[in-house]
Amino acid sequence: RKEVEQDPGPFNVPEGATVAFNCTYSNSASQSFFWYRQDCRKEPKLLMSVYSSGNEDGRFTAQLNRASQYISLLIRDSKLSDSATYLCVVNNQAGTALIFGKGTTLSVSS
Amino acid sequence: NAGVMQNPRHLVRRRGQEARLRCSPMKGHSHVYWYRQLPEEGLKFMVYLQKENIIDESGMPKERFSAEFPKEGPSILRIQQVVRGDSAAYFCASSPSLADYNEQFFGPGTRLTVL
Repeated sequence: RKEVEQDPGPFNVPEGATVAFNCTYSNSASQSFFWYRQDCRKEPKLLMSVYSSGNEDGRFTAQLNRASQYISLLIRDSKLSDSATYLCVVNNQAGTALIFGKGTTLSVSS
Repeated sequence: NAGVMQNPRHLVRRRGQEARLRCSPMKGHSHVYWYRQLPEEGLKFMVYLQKENIIDESGMPKERFSAEFPKEGPSILRIQQVVRGDSAAYFCASSPSLADYNEQFFGPGTRLTVL
């Protein structure tokens, strides 16, 4: 089983749509969870940390289910500028490194 | 506050040559991480360093790869005798401390092409 698994997509949605990404992780000892965004041929950029109680940042909502080892990201009212690859990320057991999923590609069209 | 800086941004080497990739962390950050992204793959952790110390090198290939973070100057990822399979994007990240929930800030990457 891969350490972090994501549906690769692509997700093709119109502007204004709501889209949800899911992710599972294998290491129950992971303590930190993130969503990063990566544009084509660019570096990953932190979108948001994910907390056990769930958290929201504008149009973005992240949820964590530790029992199921499942992380989600919801994007409401999609914009053209949301087109990117979304990376689900957890830390390793030692807390010394980030483990990245391969990413889910989102394409928002007008 | 400048972000994480990496140079060169693009590097072309022939098989058998050496590649040196440099990373300057964000100001105030003393923790540096190197990741590699192969074409069509996710980022893979390589090594974690603090000043003058390698803390975790569990992701480093056993041969030809080495990393350092000297007291003065940038962190260096060195690849000796490069092969075509080393062609990838190499990203450096930094964080202010390990305890900061591992929030890491990434540099623009060095794209290595081995001919």
